[in-house]
Amino acid sequence: EADIYQTPRYLVIGTGKKITLECSQTMGHDKMYWYQQDPGMELHLIHYSYGVNSTEKGDLSSESTVSRIRTEHFPLTLESARPSHTSQYLCATQGRFEQYFGPGTRLTVT
Amino acid sequence: DAKTTQPNSMESNEEEPVHLPCNHSTISGTDYIHWYRQLPSQGPEYVIHGLTSNVNNRMASLAIAEDRKSSTLILHRATLRDAAVYYCILSRGGTSYGKLTFGQGTILTVHP
Repeated sequence: EADIYQTPRYLVIGTGKKITLECSQTMGHDKMYWYQQDPGMELHLIHYSYGVNSTEKGDLSSESTVSRIRTEHFPLTLESARPSHTSQYLCATQGRFEQYFGPGTRLTVT
Repeated sequence: DAKTTQPNSMESNEEEPVHLPCNHSTISGTDYIHWYRQLPSQGPEYVIHGLTSNVNNRMASLAIAEDRKSSTLILHRATLRDAAVYYCILSRGGTSYGKLTFGQGTILTVHP
């Protein structure tokens, strides 16, 4: 079993609030990813990191930002949440060949 | 990036084999073929991957065409737990390995 954790699992928050979605892993993997997935739709890569102090934007433009200060943590931040940010956010790490996904955070902005 | 084409949906009966096709006619020589699946309300789960040769693991088999322009994921005996969205994805080898582009996938329904 892969050890990748995301908190919170569910978050309902009002417009304009700053939020941080946590992602942590205990496998020591260098490569980590954030995907966004709307209900019934495909996953889109929004951020990735190849190691500490390395972050890049993914294929889908996102107003969120990420940081990678430690190998274990890859948090995602929204400075001012808006209803259009309502979605599921999935974090993943890269093993030798396969990606391990966390359970996701389902975000609802009211 | 090379793209894949999959049927929108397929159906199977429990304990029967399932063959999920994927076309990737623009695949390059360094592209790996990956299959993931996503069960309802969960994150995707790795199933299998290959480059040129057919592959088997405890979950499934991957049959890759000789010209690599198509592949088939084989579930040997479908169970109700195999009902999921199955994604066929190409990932280029090298430093960018792991950047996955998910498509719509194939929704697999398994009937008891």
